[in-house]
Amino acid sequence: NAGVTQTPKFRVLKTGQSMTLLCAQDMNHEYMYWYRQDPGMGLRLIHYSVGEGTTAKGEVPDGYNVSRLKKQNFLLGLESAAPSQTSVYFCASSYSRRGYLNNSYNEQFFGPGTRLTVL
Amino acid sequence: SQQGEEDPQALSIQEGENATMNCSYKTSINNLQWYRQNSGRGLVHLILIRSNEREKHSGRLRVTLDTSKKSSSLLITASRAADTASYFCATPGKEYGNKLVFGAGTILRVKS
Repeated sequence: NAGVTQTPKFRVLKTGQSMTLLCAQDMNHEYMYWYRQDPGMGLRLIHYSVGEGTTAKGEVPDGYNVSRLKKQNFLLGLESAAPSQTSVYFCASSYSRRGYLNNSYNEQFFGPGTRLTVL
Repeated sequence: SQQGEEDPQALSIQEGENATMNCSYKTSINNLQWYRQNSGRGLVHLILIRSNEREKHSGRLRVTLDTSKKSSSLLITASRAADTASYFCATPGKEYGNKLVFGAGTILRVKS
């Protein structure tokens, strides 16, 4: 099993350009997440999905859009990239448990990351 | 906003020594998790401790949780050069439907 994979690994954009980051998981997980990691800030949640066709905003959603058309894929889009979006982006997935509070016990499986630079 | 905050920000020790990292959080939780990140890689889950547990072991890892002080510690015994990594605590963030919220991490360097 490949686990969680991310495409591309590196990308350089100019301000105003758009791009899509692809995340794929082969563990049949219901939950998927997108985070960004900046120096000294830890990981911050951008958007997440609790199942195919559903998405929700996280801590820092502005400037990003997501789609979950297939259970195994979670796409993160930047419509008009800005230098403030220079970061390392991580995708993660987790299985679901029954019950709202039980979902907080999920171990998350992470992809290797995408390093994005916006000039 | 970050739920968990790790301390110290960076730690440098000799191989064979023990490493202790601390995590403080702000609101009540039902569990706390620790993750490791090697340089240039994604995070890897290490251990989860529930709010009704005070201590948990996994190999050379020992995690404690003090809910009255809203703090947790991660102890790595007999450290090895391969333990060099960043370590993060993560707690459920009530604002985001109990999704995990990560602290800024502790950078551990183990010198051989």
